[in-house]
Amino acid sequence: EIVLTQSPGTLSLSPGERVTLSCRASQSVTSSYLAWYQQKPGQAPRLLIYGASSRATGIPDRFSGSGSGTDFTLTISRLEPEDFAVYHCQQYGRSPATFGQGTNLEIK
Amino acid sequence: QVRLQESGPGLVKPSETLSLTCTVSGDSISSYYWSWIRQPPGKGLEWIGFIYYGGSTNYNPSLKSRVTISVDTSKNQFSLKLSSVTAADTAVYYCARHIVGATMLFDYWGQGTLVTVSS
Repeated sequence: EIVLTQSPGTLSLSPGERVTLSCRASQSVTSSYLAWYQQKPGQAPRLLIYGASSRATGIPDRFSGSGSGTDFTLTISRLEPEDFAVYHCQQYGRSPATFGQGTNLEIK
Repeated sequence: QVRLQESGPGLVKPSETLSLTCTVSGDSISSYYWSWIRQPPGKGLEWIGFIYYGGSTNYNPSLKSRVTISVDTSKNQFSLKLSSVTAADTAVYYCARHIVGATMLFDYWGQGTLVTVSS
């Protein structure tokens, strides 16, 4: 199975800052089938990005994704208070679908 | 508005079978593929398996020997059974809808239900 490693594990930032989260795969991700989800405490994950760079319905344009092969990033251009959460990457190009361990984005 | 709701016991004894049901409202279960995903406390997400309304399934090889997913189209529900559970199976269990076809990309999720394995 494809193992996804996210870095850093925790990030402390302030509203208004720009942040880039990393997701590295143990093998090339088929057709850039890489997604990002946001998860707040006590809630289910919410789909943000799919196909490495396409925003899901209703997702603000401050969220952007990029990458291919084994290296992918999620960028939030200007952090809003509601963006502090855990972010998960997921590959869905090869079964079994796998997730990274998550990056916790916390308020500084 | 599509809604998914997990239900089932919150406490299961070791070696017994965990059983959960996901009830889908606002959409026909026959139109999509559906998955179970779990998240142990403080850890990442793990895909368990999926089902299509016709009964075709695909399971994570790491759990395949213990997992059964079934569907009841008359009730717009699908279910998970995980046998021979241990403490390592303690997790929040989510049901989720595939965004298109069998592709394991998920657009709607249930709120999740915590299942604790303990005697």
